[in-house]
Amino acid sequence: DVQLQESGPDLVKPSQSLSLTCTVTGYSITSGYSWHWIRQFPGNKLEWMGYIHYSGSTNYNPSLKSRISITRDTSKNQFFLQLNSVTTEDTATYYCARGTTATDFFAYWGQGTLVTVSA
Amino acid sequence: DIVLTQSPATLSVTPGDRVSLSCRASQSISNYLHWYQQKSHESPRLLIKYASQSISGIPSRFSGSGSGTDFTLSINSVETEDFGMYFCQQSNSWPFTFGSGTKLEIK
Repeated sequence: DVQLQESGPDLVKPSQSLSLTCTVTGYSITSGYSWHWIRQFPGNKLEWMGYIHYSGSTNYNPSLKSRISITRDTSKNQFFLQLNSVTTEDTATYYCARGTTATDFFAYWGQGTLVTVSA
Repeated sequence: DIVLTQSPATLSVTPGDRVSLSCRASQSISNYLHWYQQKSHESPRLLIKYASQSISGIPSRFSGSGSGTDFTLSINSVETEDFGMYFCQQSNSWPFTFGSGTKLEIK
């Protein structure tokens, strides 16, 4: 069965970049589907951030478009999130998830990683 | 962006009750509406896709209905394991958005 696992620093300073890795096992990220980043703020609000399609194309939430980049390393079956110029408002639990090929819904999620932005 | 409004924010119920959770979209989204359950310190779990389609492994007491702007998640005979947060999500248009959630708690 497919599994996703987030990793990365749990503390980032304001104005720096947040970088996270999602390692996928049980399915090749180049074989199909879309691979997403979603975050959940304190208080439970969920925000879809963007995805990288198995074809390599990307799509981002316009609210983040100037700060976000999603890339991948197909040799390691990993995809990555980079969010630049973070502020305390970027403090959240970050999830990677698998969407459908049409990107619609999220059947598989990682366990999430809490990232705190603080000096 | 499409806004999804979930109601009520909190629902206090007794095990065995039948409950209905509402999700209303700010514009028509056809049936591109999906439901998730999230328990404390866990990731969301997909319950229903495309408003009413069941998901393998999800108990049959969960069902969904609706189209356009009004959607309902029903739980027939709530069990103690069902308590937690429930979110709806739309995939009709970019960016995908989620509702603010309904907390299902024990009365």
